[in-house]
Amino acid sequence: QVQLQESGPGLVRPSQTLSLTCTVSGGSISSAYYWTWIRQVPGKGLEWIGYIFSSATTYYNPSLKSRLIISADTSKNQFSLKLSSVTAADTAVYYCARHYYDGSGINWIDPWGQGTLVTVSS
Amino acid sequence: SSELTQDPAVSVALGQTVRVTCQGDGLRAFFATWYQQKPGQAPVLVMFGRNTRPSGIPDRFSGSISGDTASLIISGAQAEDEADYYCHSRDITSTHLVFGGGTKLTVL
Repeated sequence: QVQLQESGPGLVRPSQTLSLTCTVSGGSISSAYYWTWIRQVPGKGLEWIGYIFSSATTYYNPSLKSRLIISADTSKNQFSLKLSSVTAADTAVYYCARHYYDGSGINWIDPWGQGTLVTVSS
Repeated sequence: SSELTQDPAVSVALGQTVRVTCQGDGLRAFFATWYQQKPGQAPVLVMFGRNTRPSGIPDRFSGSISGDTASLIISGAQAEDEADYYCHSRDITSTHLVFGGGTKLTVL
């Protein structure tokens, strides 16, 4: 059973870089899934951040693309998120998750990590 | 890019049937996927494809699609079904993912 766990600082200063890592157990990040980051501002809806496929190909939310890097470390079975120049608007619960797309219209996200709250504040 | 529109809030009497809807042009090309999120918890996949429930999801949950509108139907809603429900799909013009704004379901 695949499980994902986010890790990283819970507090980041404004203008700094937010860095999170997702550790995957019970499955390989080299498998044919899209390893995904999603965030949720407290009390608000879900926002797709981006994903990495085959440990190298990345796709980013256009609204975050200029500040975002998603990468993978297959030796550790981890993938990571770096979001630069953060502001208070980046305060959110950040989830890592596994996304599947079958190429014919079916896609789903499962499982999700438990989520980690990152607060941007001085 | 595609957008998905959901009603912000829906209520249902205990044991009755409720339909949570998700509308968007992209749903003519990609199926909607549904997630249930309870306070303080991560979202949980409850429906994908035309009408497929993951293992462990009660059969009172079902899905349907008509044109550009997908529905998550709960037949005989239970108190434990009270939660936020989000739909999700792929952007019709790219490989990006999109989420609906979420529907808060209250079971009365």
